[in-house]
Amino acid sequence: QKEVEQNSGPLSVPEGAIASLNCTYSDRGSQSFFWYRQYSGKSPELIMSIYSNGDKEDGRFTAQLNKASQYVSLLIRDSQPSDSATYLCAVKKGGSYIPTFGRGTSLIVHP
Amino acid sequence: DTEVTQTPKHLVMGMTNKKSLKCEQHMGHRAMYWYKQKAKKPPELMFVYSYEKLSINESVPSRFSPECPNSSLLNLHLHALQPEDSALYLCASSQGTGARSYEQYFGPGTRLTVT
Repeated sequence: QKEVEQNSGPLSVPEGAIASLNCTYSDRGSQSFFWYRQYSGKSPELIMSIYSNGDKEDGRFTAQLNKASQYVSLLIRDSQPSDSATYLCAVKKGGSYIPTFGRGTSLIVHP
Repeated sequence: DTEVTQTPKHLVMGMTNKKSLKCEQHMGHRAMYWYKQKAKKPPELMFVYSYEKLSINESVPSRFSPECPNSSLLNLHLHALQPEDSALYLCASSQGTGARSYEQYFGPGTRLTVT
């Protein structure tokens, strides 16, 4: 089992829809969870961090964390073509201070 | 301000060349990182500096040599690289302490091509 797993996609959604990106992790002691957005040929950009169970909202983005089920998700409301990118999930395990990245999910928002 | 800068943006070098990549941050972050990223793959950790000391070397070949001259600067010295080392090289920084200590902010990267 990989430490951080994401569906590679592509996930294709129409403009204005909700995009739902999921990430599961294997280490129950994981403490910190991050979502990065990476446009093709560019560097990753931190868009959300979440540390406690539940939801965290920032503009059109909502991160959801469920430690019992070991998953973290990112919802993007009112998706725009400019949201088309690869979304990387990163998880900091207990006992490590370096986050582990998933392989990323490619999101395509079509007009 | 969450800016990390990297120079150069692009670099083409031969296998016998010596070159350096540079990274700078002025956020007062105490942890700095070098990552390597190949197309359609996640960033791959190479080195971590914490409080200006090398704390992690992910078994990187010696042809890559990191240096941290001060808390704001990070260099990566390159020598005798192979074509398979061609990749996007990313620098990142994080606070290193406190509640948000692991939030990493990435620079724009250096696109390296080894010929």
